[in-house]
Amino acid sequence: GAGVSQSPRYKVAKRGQDVALRCDPISGHVSLFWYQQALGQGPEFLTYFQNEAQLDKSGLPSDRFFAERPEGSVSTLKIQRTQQEDSAVYLCASSFLLDWDSIQYFGAGTRLSVL
Amino acid sequence: AQKITQTQPGMFVQEKEAVTLDCTYDTSDQSYGLFWYKQPSSGEMIFLIYQGSYDEQNATEGRYSLNFQKARKSANLVISASQLGDSAMYFCAMREGRGAGSYQLTFGKGTKLSVIP
Repeated sequence: GAGVSQSPRYKVAKRGQDVALRCDPISGHVSLFWYQQALGQGPEFLTYFQNEAQLDKSGLPSDRFFAERPEGSVSTLKIQRTQQEDSAVYLCASSFLLDWDSIQYFGAGTRLSVL
Repeated sequence: AQKITQTQPGMFVQEKEAVTLDCTYDTSDQSYGLFWYKQPSSGEMIFLIYQGSYDEQNATEGRYSLNFQKARKSANLVISASQLGDSAMYFCAMREGRGAGSYQLTFGKGTKLSVIP
């Protein structure tokens, strides 16, 4: 596709439920990033991949959060045993290279509501 | 300390007028990049403009320009000839350093711009 695609756009989960959020980056983009955006805030970094390698996961808030990109294209962010504080918009971004001025292009996000 | 500070939670501008959105940043790195993104109500973050710390000229992209004042650590976004479609949240972001693991963006809290007909 022409842009970064994320699914689902909206997800409602009961507390304790596991969820999986999908990101389909721009074709050919090497780098993939996940960010979390709380209501009224700017996005905050979670993790990033270069191809299939997860090179930085320092932003993941707890061990309930797990991300993978097994074939270096589509990525999945999984949240186990969801809590109310996990409610946020999860944004995925991709960039062609890891050069200094590579632009990150974002998807429309998945809005997660944990009840 | 906040790395990116956007002091204007909300701004109003008359259609066809110019508007400046403020952004100050805090870093001890010599190499860094500054970005502006637009986020309409649909949620997607749309890239607008980029300025590298070593760029001597202010960046411009169509109606967008970045007023980069390195000594003051400010990177204000100027939108000329505002249009109704410019109504959105605007985020300033920074990427620091050149080492491994330094590719993530740090965002400010954003400014909500409303364009009045």
